[in-house]
Amino acid sequence: GAGVSQSPSNKVTEKGKDVELRCDPISGHTALYWYRQSLGQGLEFLIYFQGNSAPDKSGLPSDRFSAERTGGSVSTLTIQRTQQEDSAVYLCASSRDSIEKLFFGSGTQLSVL
Amino acid sequence: KQEVTQIPAALSVPEGENLVLNCSFTDSAIYNLQWFRQDPGKGLTSLLLIQSSQREQTSGRLNASLDKSSGRSTLYIAASQPGDSATYLCAAPTSGTYKYIFGTGTRLKVLA
Repeated sequence: GAGVSQSPSNKVTEKGKDVELRCDPISGHTALYWYRQSLGQGLEFLIYFQGNSAPDKSGLPSDRFSAERTGGSVSTLTIQRTQQEDSAVYLCASSRDSIEKLFFGSGTQLSVL
Repeated sequence: KQEVTQIPAALSVPEGENLVLNCSFTDSAIYNLQWFRQDPGKGLTSLLLIQSSQREQTSGRLNASLDKSSGRSTLYIAASQPGDSATYLCAAPTSGTYKYIFGTGTRLKVLA
């Protein structure tokens, strides 16, 4: 595709439910990032994938959060047993290589009721 | 641990003014630094990337500088326009990595 695609664009869920957020990076981009942006706040790093290397998971806030990247392309961020404080916009970005510009998707707005 | 600070948090200027946005970072052993703009309710758009070996990078009316030794970068916007109104974010990686840490941004409003 022409850009980074994220789905769904909006997700409303009940507290305690699991959610999956999807990111389709730009074709050929080897680096993929997940960030979280809470209302009025800056971007919080969550996880980073580069090629076949082990991901940098240092930003995941708890063990309820996990992410995988299949075949070096599509990535899924999973949040188990969602809490109200998980409500935020989840942004995905990719780059051709880690030294190059990041391209962001439009994000998934997650609301936990 | 990398920390990125942006000053000012908000800025309002009349159309046509030249302006400077500031970004400082604590960990200077960085590979590069990036500037982005974010429009309300939207994702981020990359503006400029400066490699660690560069001191400046230009794109149209935008010019970004990087001074690693002092841990600072500036984004200069020439002849500002109402369409420049957005939040501007800088991002620097933690040293030795490509884990980008973002500042909280400067919210710019250019008045017609």
